[in-house]
Amino acid sequence: EVQLVESGGGLVQPGGSLRLSCAASGFSFSAYWMTWVRQAPGKGLEWVANIKQDGSEKYYVDSVKGRFTISRDNAENSLYLRMDSLRAEDTAVYYCARCPYSILTHYYIDFWGQGTLVTVSS
Amino acid sequence: IQLTQSPSSLSASVGDRVTITCRASQSINTYLNWYQQKPGKAPKVLIYTASNLQSGVPSRFSGSGSGTEFTLTISSLQPEDFATYHCQQTYTFWTFGQGTKVEIK
Repeated sequence: EVQLVESGGGLVQPGGSLRLSCAASGFSFSAYWMTWVRQAPGKGLEWVANIKQDGSEKYYVDSVKGRFTISRDNAENSLYLRMDSLRAEDTAVYYCARCPYSILTHYYIDFWGQGTLVTVSS
Repeated sequence: IQLTQSPSSLSASVGDRVTITCRASQSINTYLNWYQQKPGKAPKVLIYTASNLQSGVPSRFSGSGSGTEFTLTISSLQPEDFATYHCQQTYTFWTFGQGTKVEIK
């Protein structure tokens, strides 16, 4: 059974840092692109960052570029999101998710974690 | 690339046919996915690459479109379908639509 379990969320002051982790199991983690998607309270979904299977390509939404860093450890079946210089507008539930890719189907998200809440407030 | 869903919300009855539209600000080929989300839960993929039904998703859900205009259709709304639906483009630097909430009439 595919499982993605996020951890590391919590309350942090503006300007602070946090590191989110996502433990993957039940599938070949190193074979998939992975992504972080967030959802502010009562709002829609926002893509945050993607990382290729071997970590050689990383992409970010403009609003987090230079502040957030996505990484992975394939030996530990883990995905990470380092978040620095946090702002109030980064407050959201952060989801870790798996992204199959093929030339025919392109990208989509087929499994999501349960999410971890990050609250940025003084 | 911006995605605009319409309507933002709708009220419908069990058995109704429901159509949700997602328009892209530029052509995205068929790189458009649809997700269903229930309160307090993670989203679940329904349709990928515009018209491909994800395994395990009921056949009353269907998707169509290409370029800039896409639709998600629920042929006969069931009680478990009351939820929020999101479209997503993966043509370049992914974005999501603002969501469409389907409520009970």
